[in-house]
Amino acid sequence: AQTVTQSQPEMSVQEAETVTLSCTYDTSESDYYLFWYKQPPSRQMILVIRQEAYKQQNATENRFSVNFQKAAKSFSLKISDSQLGDAAMYFCAYGGGNEKLTFGTGTRLTIIP
Amino acid sequence: DTEVTQTPKHLVMGMTNKKSLKCEQHMGHRAMYWYKQKAKKPPELMFVYSYEKLSINESVPSRFSPECPNSSLLNLHLHALQPEDSALYLCASTQLAGGRRETQYFGPGTRLLVL
Repeated sequence: AQTVTQSQPEMSVQEAETVTLSCTYDTSESDYYLFWYKQPPSRQMILVIRQEAYKQQNATENRFSVNFQKAAKSFSLKISDSQLGDAAMYFCAYGGGNEKLTFGTGTRLTIIP
Repeated sequence: DTEVTQTPKHLVMGMTNKKSLKCEQHMGHRAMYWYKQKAKKPPELMFVYSYEKLSINESVPSRFSPECPNSSLLNLHLHALQPEDSALYLCASTQLAGGRRETQYFGPGTRLLVL
């Protein structure tokens, strides 16, 4: 079974600074996707970014980018130029050979004005 | 358009009540999901419907009864719930059923309180 580990329950960052959220996973599959979802206090889960395991190039979406290290099974999220609206719970998730997503336990990100 | 809608936003019910949660998407997605989420925890999968057929039931108590009347609509019927069932209930959908590695798009959730 796949597992996803987020070792940072809480993080904080000064507005306009850069922060990196960590995620590691364990799997025996070779073909899978990885996701970062954001859940603000409004509670809707919003897709931030996704990475296909077969792609070596790290995914980027505006201020959000990932550092995908397949051999190390690591998938960290970097947020540049942090904004107040980035404050949320961030979940790392694994999507493999079935219909299920495996979520990590989440990292609560606070933005300090 | 990646919108999944859920109604109601909030629901308070007694342990003897019967209520239903509704989820709708018009993206042509063929797989739909129900999740339960407790505070400060990740979502827990409850049910998956693929092509309007129940494909996954994660050993959910029978007081939760899912229904997929058509490819756009997913219901969760609630009966004789317990206070520990109070949670945020999230619906999600993916484009393809059998959904290998598909992106799931989530609705805003229904906050349920069982008294």
